[in-house]
Amino acid sequence: KAGVTQTPRYLIKTRGQQVTLSCSPISGHRSVSWYQQTPGQGLQFLFEYFSETQRNKGNFPGRFSGRQFSNSRSEMNVSTLELGDSALYLCASSPTFSYNEQFFGPGTRLTVL
Amino acid sequence: KQEVTQIPAALSVPEGENLVLNCSFTDSAIYNLQWFRQDPGKGLTSLLLIQSSQREQTSGRLNASLDKSSGRSTLYIAASQPGDSATYLCAGPSQGGSEKLVFGKGTKLTVNP
Repeated sequence: KAGVTQTPRYLIKTRGQQVTLSCSPISGHRSVSWYQQTPGQGLQFLFEYFSETQRNKGNFPGRFSGRQFSNSRSEMNVSTLELGDSALYLCASSPTFSYNEQFFGPGTRLTVL
Repeated sequence: KQEVTQIPAALSVPEGENLVLNCSFTDSAIYNLQWFRQDPGKGLTSLLLIQSSQREQTSGRLNASLDKSSGRSTLYIAASQPGDSATYLCAGPSQGGSEKLVFGKGTKLTVNP
């Protein structure tokens, strides 16, 4: 069974641009969550999707948005990039919502210059 | 609101030593707790998930325990090897009915040959 895949693996953008990251969950998993990891703040929750509905959102500005498609694949978008958005973006999938073991992808390393 | 703490932030041991990593959490109503391993620049690998009804989970040389009353979980690694060098993170659900995980800052483990 294939694991969680994320594309692209690396991205370099400049301030003010926007970026879209993609996550494909494990086959059969319907819940996808996104996290931002930085050296200073550690892992911080961005959002959680289940059956195309956002169920939870973290404390991030509106520049961060996401969506989930009917095949459970998810995308997150960051508009008007700032230097502080440089981070490793991780997505996790689980079979359903609530208390399941979560499986993480390899992440997308975003560098904003 | 769930808060998760891991102490120490870094640990260095000689190969072959048995060791314990600590994780503390504030909400004793925690439903489960998950331990992860992260290699530099990589995603998270799930090691063990302990449900609140369990006291221990074992996988190979790893044993994780959960004590809800004291707000503590430990990850025991037997006969450590240089390949165990990584950052170990623990995480628990932030609240009921959510996949949102709250992470500790991790313990960076170095096993010296």
